Amino acid sequence: DVKVTQSSRYLVKRTGEKVFLECVQDMDHENMFWYRQDPGLGLRLIYFSYDVKMKEKGDIPEGYSVSREKKERFSLILESASTNQTSMYLCASGTDNSPLHFGNGTRLTVT
Amino acid sequence: AQSVSQHNHHVILSEAASLELGCNYSYGGTVNLFWYVQYPGQHLQLLLKYFSGDPLVKGIKGFEAEFIKSKFSFNLRKPSVQWSDTAEYFCAVNKGWGKLQFGAGTQVVVTP
Repeated sequence: DVKVTQSSRYLVKRTGEKVFLECVQDMDHENMFWYRQDPGLGLRLIYFSYDVKMKEKGDIPEGYSVSREKKERFSLILESASTNQTSMYLCASGTDNSPLHFGNGTRLTVT
Repeated sequence: AQSVSQHNHHVILSEAASLELGCNYSYGGTVNLFWYVQYPGQHLQLLLKYFSGDPLVKGIKGFEAEFIKSKFSFNLRKPSVQWSDTAEYFCAVNKGWGKLQFGAGTQVVVTP
C-alpha cells in the first residue's frame, strides 16, 4: 500500500519565520505535489515535481518554494511565513495517469 | 480557464436517503476524472475514477459516478447513504502530469 508521510501533523509558527514541511513517499513515484486546502476553496496546487531536482509552479506558488533532492522526498518551504499562509497543507504522489495518494496533512498556523 | 464546479457546498440528508453530488468541468481534451472523499480527521481517499470505457463507474462503499461527455459532467451517486458517509467529497480532473484540479468540495452530513 502506498504511504505518503508528512513529517508534522500540526505546526505553529510566528510571522516571518522560515518553515519547512517535509513529505516522503515509499512507492517510487515520479510525481509529487503540494496542495493547500482551505474551506470553500477545495485543494489548490502550490508546486509539483515530476523528477528529482525538477519543479513546476502550480496555481498559487507565491510565497512558497520547494526542493526535491531525492525521488522519495519533496519539501515545501515558506521563506517568510505570513498569517495568510495559515492552512492545511497536503502532500501527494503519483504517476502521470494514476490517482494521487495523499498524506495526512499538516495543519499550519502562523501567528 | 479550466475549472471544476461542484454544485452544492453543503448537503444534509437522512440515513437511507439517496445522494447525488454534481460536478461539472471545463476542459476540452481527453479527461481523467476522480472523486475523492475526506472523512473527519482522515486523509483524502480515492472513491472512484474514470479514465475511459464504460461511462458508469463503480467505486468503493457503494458509490458510483456517471461521465456524460456532452454535459461535461461527472456526478456522484449513492442509492442509500449511511451515517458513516458523513464526509467532504471532492471532484477532480487530471490536467496532465498527474496534476489534479479540484472542485471546492461538498460537505455531506448524514443524520441518523
